[in-house]
Amino acid sequence: DTGVSQDPRHKITKRGQNVTFRCDPISEHNRLYWYRQTLGQGPEFLTYFQNEAQLEKSRLLSDRFSAERPKGSFSTLEIQRTEQGDSAMYLCASSLGTWDGRTFGPGTRLTVT
Amino acid sequence: GIQVEQSPPDLILQEGANSTLRCNFSDSVNNLQWFHQNPWGQLINLFYIPSGTKQNGRLSATTVATERYSLLYISSSQTTDSGVYFCAVNSGNTPLVFGKGTRLSVIA
Repeated sequence: DTGVSQDPRHKITKRGQNVTFRCDPISEHNRLYWYRQTLGQGPEFLTYFQNEAQLEKSRLLSDRFSAERPKGSFSTLEIQRTEQGDSAMYLCASSLGTWDGRTFGPGTRLTVT
Repeated sequence: GIQVEQSPPDLILQEGANSTLRCNFSDSVNNLQWFHQNPWGQLINLFYIPSGTKQNGRLSATTVATERYSLLYISSSQTTDSGVYFCAVNSGNTPLVFGKGTRLSVIA
């Protein structure tokens, strides 16, 4: 069990650019979650997958955001035309099922200048 | 949706002191987790405790599901315990909902 990994750990981009983050969950976990955390707040849910199916999306996930999990293993989160308000920590988590605890990755810290 | 309230929002302790952090939630849950977020942002899972009591070293947690609260106890606090402690809950297929956290500072 190597835990949940995320790449990159830090990303600085200019407003208007597109960015993509990757998450590799624990291998036997079929559920994968994306969260966003801004300074001084708790993480907020964005979306989750069961295997390759995206089952729920938060209203926080605007049209500029898209997430995929093409083979039910790793996932990517893309933000198009980044805005300064997108600056946050993006956290990925995985779990074996609904009733199990979530294990979080180290996060990707995005700064939009 | 489920509301999660944590108290106190901030706590300063002298090294060696004990503390109790509280998490209240507004509806029945089937999952409750306590996390410690370190200065680098990593969320470390402390306890998965939808009900009952668990202990891990100097930390223990109790969830009274029927009264919709959970407590995290930290004994003999150390400076490395500093950080933000989050309680998070969910019910059924709903997403995990986090409280705003308790920011703990342990001073030597």
